[in-house]
Amino acid sequence: EAGVAQSPRYKIIEKRQSVAFWCNPISGHATLYWYQQILGQGPKLLIQFQNNGVVDDSQLPKDRFSAERLKGVDSTLKIQPAKLEDSAVYLCASSLEPSGGRLFFGSGTQLSVL
Amino acid sequence: AQSVTQLGSHVSVSEGALVLLRCNYSSSVPPYLFWYVQYPNQGLQLLLKYTSAATLVKGINGFEAEFKKSETSFHLTKPSAHMSDAAEYFCAVSHRQAGGTSYGKLTFGQGTILTVHP
Repeated sequence: EAGVAQSPRYKIIEKRQSVAFWCNPISGHATLYWYQQILGQGPKLLIQFQNNGVVDDSQLPKDRFSAERLKGVDSTLKIQPAKLEDSAVYLCASSLEPSGGRLFFGSGTQLSVL
Repeated sequence: AQSVTQLGSHVSVSEGALVLLRCNYSSSVPPYLFWYVQYPNQGLQLLLKYTSAATLVKGINGFEAEFKKSETSFHLTKPSAHMSDAAEYFCAVSHRQAGGTSYGKLTFGQGTILTVHP
């Protein structure tokens, strides 16, 4: 069974530039999550989709972050403009619904903002 | 509101020794508790979970955790460490969303890096 795919693996940009991350969840998983993991901290949920609808985006900085999940499958997370404090690993996860708390994580995209 | 505190950002043990990783939670409703593990260059994977059934939960690779409501703890243990256990471990808390079937969002602790010495 293929896992959660994310790209790119690494990204380096300068502050005020824009960046986009892509995620392809496990086939058949209704729920998709984007987490932000800052160095030395645990992952923090940015946004949760169920199919192509948003379930929770309470911690998404909406002035600069946006996410979409077209057709309830792939998802993209965008940052525009990036700030230094956005340097982190961005993790995508997916799950069946109900999840039972079992999320399947991708390897993440490591973003460095200079 | 819910939160998780993992005591000790780094734990070092010798191969064959007891592994004990500490987790305390705070939750205003009955919690669901999880341990996830992240091996180098891999995504996080579920190790075990507590969802209000048995308080002693067994997971993969010989790990287990005990839910203690009176102590608001969910410590992870393994009787004998193996070199392959070296990884970062995350405790997480969630709760069933009102009126729904989902467990809602996971709130993670800051992680504990486990090092195993020969």
